[in-house]
Formats: sequence, C-alpha cells, structure tokens
Amino acid sequence: DQQVKQNSPSLSVQEGRISILNCDYTNSMFDYFLWYKKYPAEGPTFLISISSIKDKNEDGRFTVFLNKSAKHLSLHIVPSQPGDSAVYFCAAKGSSNTGKLIFGQGTTLQVKP
Amino acid sequence: NAGVMQNPRHLVRRRGQEARLRCSPMKGHSHVYWYRQLPEEGLKFMVYLQKENIIDESGMPKERFSAEFPKEGPSILRIQQVVRGDSAAYFCASSPPGTGGNTGELFFGEGSRLTVL
Repeated sequence: DQQVKQNSPSLSVQEGRISILNCDYTNSMFDYFLWYKKYPAEGPTFLISISSIKDKNEDGRFTVFLNKSAKHLSLHIVPSQPGDSAVYFCAAKGSSNTGKLIFGQGTTLQVKP
Repeated sequence: NAGVMQNPRHLVRRRGQEARLRCSPMKGHSHVYWYRQLPEEGLKFMVYLQKENIIDESGMPKERFSAEFPKEGPSILRIQQVVRGDSAAYFCASSPPGTGGNTGELFFGEGSRLTVL
C-alpha cells in the first residue's frame, strides 16, 4: 500500500529552465509534506516543507504547491542549475508526532548544462 | 560542525551473522530515527527512539531486528542472523526535541550500506 507516490522515476531539464517534480498521496490525515534531496552515497537533506493548512511555500528557487482536493503536491525549481541534479524524495508526516515519514520512491532529476 | 555520524559506512556479512550499525546524533539532538532503503525504493521508517526509550517501532520487522539508544553512547541498530533480503542502506536521522515529530524535518546521516553474502 503505497501512500506516497512519485510516478516519474526520472526527469531531465535544461539549465535555466523550470523543473517540476510531482507527488501524489492517499492519506488525507497527513499534516506536513516535505521534499528531501539526495546525492549518491549521501544521506537525504531537507529541502522544503509545507503544512497541510497551506497551499504554497516558497524558499528561494524552490516552491512547493499543495492541492489537497487532488491529494497532489509538486516541487518547482526555477531556474534549474546543474548542481540540482540529484534524487528528490517526497515525504509525508502523519499527526502522530513521532517523526515517522512516509517517503515516495524518488525522482532522479538531471539538469543539463 | 559534526552532523549525524554513522558507522560503519559499509558492512559485509555472511548469512547468519550479526550486523551492528551505530549512529551518533547531531549535538543537541535527543531524538533518533532509523530508516531503511532497499534498492530502487524510497526510505522506509523503522524506529524512533529517545534516550533509553523506544517511542515508535512500528516499522521494525518483528524478528531479528532491535534498536537501542542508551543514556551514554550512540544508538545501535542490531540485526541478528542476517539474510540476503537485509541488504540495504540504513539511514539514521536525528532531530532536536519537538522538531522532527512536529514538522518532519530530520537531519540524516550518510547511511550504512549492509551487504549480505
């Protein structure tokens, strides 16, 4: 039972253009959604999050959009840079306050110079 | 500026042996989480610990796996009688009190990669 899904295993964009990474979820009880970025042989690093009571959160080049009715969130990176090439994981947190995150399978982003 | 420290980074075990993975949280962090990543999959929650307490172990396999976070020293994830299916990357994360549980923002280590022959 995959509660958080990232249906695109990979995405390739040109440097300077917009990258849009998508994530769908099934559990309407999630209260936070997060994006983590992971380079090979490293641990995930927190990128940006959004509370379920909001529909948009922006931090520099990164913006996360949440559409609760569609149970869908997306991460926009503008402009994309070669250093953004990594695996991006969408994650969701329930209301249990135990730090238990449900991760998607990840999307590998390649930004071409 | 020490982050979450995990060791060993790579561990090779034969079937039936024991694996011990260690995790030292970031300074000032008292909450530790273990996640497992199987090949081509996302990370799966295993266990959440505070000093001397297991808070949530809902993701831990019922047998052969155990975790502890003693009053002194690192957190330990122990896998007894390893099987090939245990081969994975095991990530430890930490958070200061409140943050991880409230917002989900965790600080991850670089992982320990277990290979079972």
